[in-house]
Amino acid sequence: NAGVMQNPRHLVRRRGQEARLRCSPMKGHSHVYWYRQLPEEGLKFMVYLQKENIIDESGMPKERFSAEFPKEGPSILRIQQVVRGDSAAYFCASSPMGLAGGPATTGELFFGEGSRLTVL
Amino acid sequence: AQKITQTQPGMFVQEKEAVTLDCTYDTSDPSYGLFWYKQPSSGEMIFLIYQGSYDQQNATEGRYSLNFQKARKSANLVISASQLGDSAMYFCAMRGAYNQGGKLIFGQGTELSVKP
Repeated sequence: NAGVMQNPRHLVRRRGQEARLRCSPMKGHSHVYWYRQLPEEGLKFMVYLQKENIIDESGMPKERFSAEFPKEGPSILRIQQVVRGDSAAYFCASSPMGLAGGPATTGELFFGEGSRLTVL
Repeated sequence: AQKITQTQPGMFVQEKEAVTLDCTYDTSDPSYGLFWYKQPSSGEMIFLIYQGSYDQQNATEGRYSLNFQKARKSANLVISASQLGDSAMYFCAMRGAYNQGGKLIFGQGTELSVKP
């Protein structure tokens, strides 16, 4: 039973380029969360998605960042025109569907190993 | 708004001794979950232990136990018999009720160093 799969594990981009980070949740999980960890800091929530829907994007920067979780395929976090300040580890986590169609309030989120973005 | 606070940026402990990592939280939700994760130098997030707000007893998982004091809004992690492999960053996190979307809110982390 594969865990949360993220790729690429490491990505190097030059300023102004685009970065695409992919996340395949655990089998049977339909809720995906993206977190960003800047060097020497904790994880900061970015966005919560269900299939084809963005549920909570309160942690997403207003510009250049977007996320999607299509009906088929992985969730994608897209960063346009990257800047040096975007250098960070980006973690994806998934959760099974809980009662009443919402995420379970008990049990942990299952994290991927992260994608480390370096902007030169 | 929900908030998690870890006030110890770094901690040292001698191998085989016990150590307590502090975590306080703030929420107005009656139903919530508290978690501890370990992040070794390799970077992955490893789930350690969970405590539900309605759980009567403190959670335990092997050498990990969670000292849950609801009135004080604290959820300290106790690691018994520390091992060199316990050296890592430790994050406390809180998960809200369904209407919060189930997202985890993390503290700033505590870096634990185990000395031989």
